[in-house]
This record gives sequence, C-alpha cells and structure tokens, in this order.
Amino acid sequence: GNSVTQMEGPVTLSEEAFLTINCTYTATGYPSLFWYVQYPGEGLQLLLKATKADDKGSNKGFEATYRKETTSFHLEKGSVQVSDSAVYFCALSVAQGGSEKLVFGKGTKLTVNP
Amino acid sequence: NAGVTQTPKFQVLKTGQSMTLQCAQDMNHEYMSWYRQDPGMGLRLIHYSVGAGITDQGEVPNGYNVSRSTTEDFPLRLLSAAPSQTSVYFCASIMTRGTGELFFGEGSRLTVL
Repeated sequence: GNSVTQMEGPVTLSEEAFLTINCTYTATGYPSLFWYVQYPGEGLQLLLKATKADDKGSNKGFEATYRKETTSFHLEKGSVQVSDSAVYFCALSVAQGGSEKLVFGKGTKLTVNP
Repeated sequence: NAGVTQTPKFQVLKTGQSMTLQCAQDMNHEYMSWYRQDPGMGLRLIHYSVGAGITDQGEVPNGYNVSRSTTEDFPLRLLSAAPSQTSVYFCASIMTRGTGELFFGEGSRLTVL
C-alpha cells in the first residue's frame, strides 16, 4: 500500500538555523509528492510539490527533491524565521481511477524561537 | 475570494446527537473531500466526491454520511455522535484532478462528550 513516514517532532530551532524534516514514502506506481503547511488555527496549504524523480519543489525558501532511489522527499530551509513555526505534512498522491486520494504523514511541528 | 468555507468552527455534542458540518466552495471545483485530523495520526480521508451526485468512501467512513446535490456544497453528517468522533474536520477541494493540490477550509473542531 501507499504510506508516508516523516520524522517525529516537535522540532525546536533558533531563528536563522538550518531546517531539515525527513520524509520517506512507499507507493505503488509513480506518486506525486507534496509538502503541506498548517499555521496555527488554520487549514493546510500547499507549500511545494514534485511530480517526478529528481524534480525539486521550492517555495518561500523551502526546498525538497524527489529522490526515487531513496524514496525520500526531505524538506529543507537554509535559514528559518519565527514565522515558519507551523506543522508540516509530507504527502503523496497516486492516481487511482476517479479519486484524488492523498496519503499524509503524521505531521512535524516546528517551533522557531527568536 | 472566500475559497473553502466550513461551519461551524467549533461544536460540542453529547453522545448520540446528530449534526451536520457544512462545507462550501466558490471555486467551481468538481472534487471535494472530508478529512479528519487527530493527534499523532495525520489526516485521514473520510468521504470524497468527484462531482454533483457522486460520492464515495475514503479510509474512515464509518459513522459519517455525505451527499453532493450541488457543485458548491458538500455537507458531512454525523448521525449518532460518539466520543471517538472528537476531532478536527477539514473540507478540501481541488481545481485540477491529478495534481494533488488541495484547497483546505479552516477546519471544524468537534468535541463529543
């Protein structure tokens, strides 16, 4: 089956620190991979995506590269800000007939201190 | 530009009561879905709809009903609430099928006593 495993949180960093949140997946077929972010009190919103091997998704200083050989899609940012404090979800999507089913990881809570 | 709107934002129910969580989107999206979010569990798909008049079950459909009479609305019904249904519920829609790019509402926090 399809599944996503991401690193357990919470993660606490100081402002300007480097961020890595690990994500690995198992999937049948050729999944698209996503990172969603949930700010406090809000719904999830798409942060970045990659649809095929070796693609790099990027947005707001965050990056993730689709690594088929290691089945990974790790999220990175070179210098985090307090405003990046949120819960980050890795997800995959494999086309299945008429559905648009995303499989989400459990989420990693990031807190950035000034 | 409202996007995906969910009501109510907070609700407390007693075991056995029924209620409906409302979801409306103004983006003319064909695909809509309901997820529940529980601590340490991530998001799990309850039901989804690929268009008006068509619904199907997701990963955790038991205890929930849905209908889709219009493109805009996709209500989620709890017929007899149980404490295990205490959760945060998210409605999401998608513009282009196959992209995985969901638009989420702000969530509805439900507590069942």
